[in-house]
Amino acid sequence: DADVTQTPRNRITKTGKRIMLECSQTKGHDRMYWYRQDPGLGLRLIYYSFDVKDINKGEISDGYSVSRQAQAKFSLSLESAIPNQTALYFCATSDWFKGEQFFGPGTRLTVL
Amino acid sequence: GQQLNQSPQSMFIQEGEDVSMNCTSSSIFNTWLWYKQEPGEGPVLLIALYKAGELTSNGRLTAQFGITRKDSFLNISASIPSDVGIYFCAGLGIQGAQKLVFGQGTRLTINP
Repeated sequence: DADVTQTPRNRITKTGKRIMLECSQTKGHDRMYWYRQDPGLGLRLIYYSFDVKDINKGEISDGYSVSRQAQAKFSLSLESAIPNQTALYFCATSDWFKGEQFFGPGTRLTVL
Repeated sequence: GQQLNQSPQSMFIQEGEDVSMNCTSSSIFNTWLWYKQEPGEGPVLLIALYKAGELTSNGRLTAQFGITRKDSFLNISASIPSDVGIYFCAGLGIQGAQKLVFGQGTRLTINP
């Protein structure tokens, strides 16, 4: 079984809808991250959490919110989706010491 | 903010050729990571480097952590079709504290 899972894998929605993307991990890591990937722009950090009570904005947090429900779960919400939020979204985890991040398989989100 | 310059942006090679790509930064990093991403999947960690000057191999892949701590390279020897994908470098500034900074990626295409 995969160590980092994301649901859904694909989602098509309409402008203005609220969307939640979920991430779960079995690696026992404290740190979790949400990234967005657009063609030609690489990976950009949206939010990150170093433990259950810690939430931090990344470089592109506007229009997004997150919730760290447990050590193993970190969800990303788009309160009112807009077309330029169409992208690939990745969740990642890491431990404190090494910092190596392990990625989930991604969610392809299309906002019409 | 910190940025990584990864080059080349794309490579078109023949099967069996060797590949070389690199990342440079204006900032010092304490850890360099190399990831590979295949279509529809999340990035997968290939090699992690923790010490300046370190040279590490993983099968046909070899990566080095530059002496100045501001650069790293990845070589792939005797390329095969399954090497196709996008390769990302990533740097970590301070162990246990900082977020990863990603390069823009190198897209590798192999002609059989």
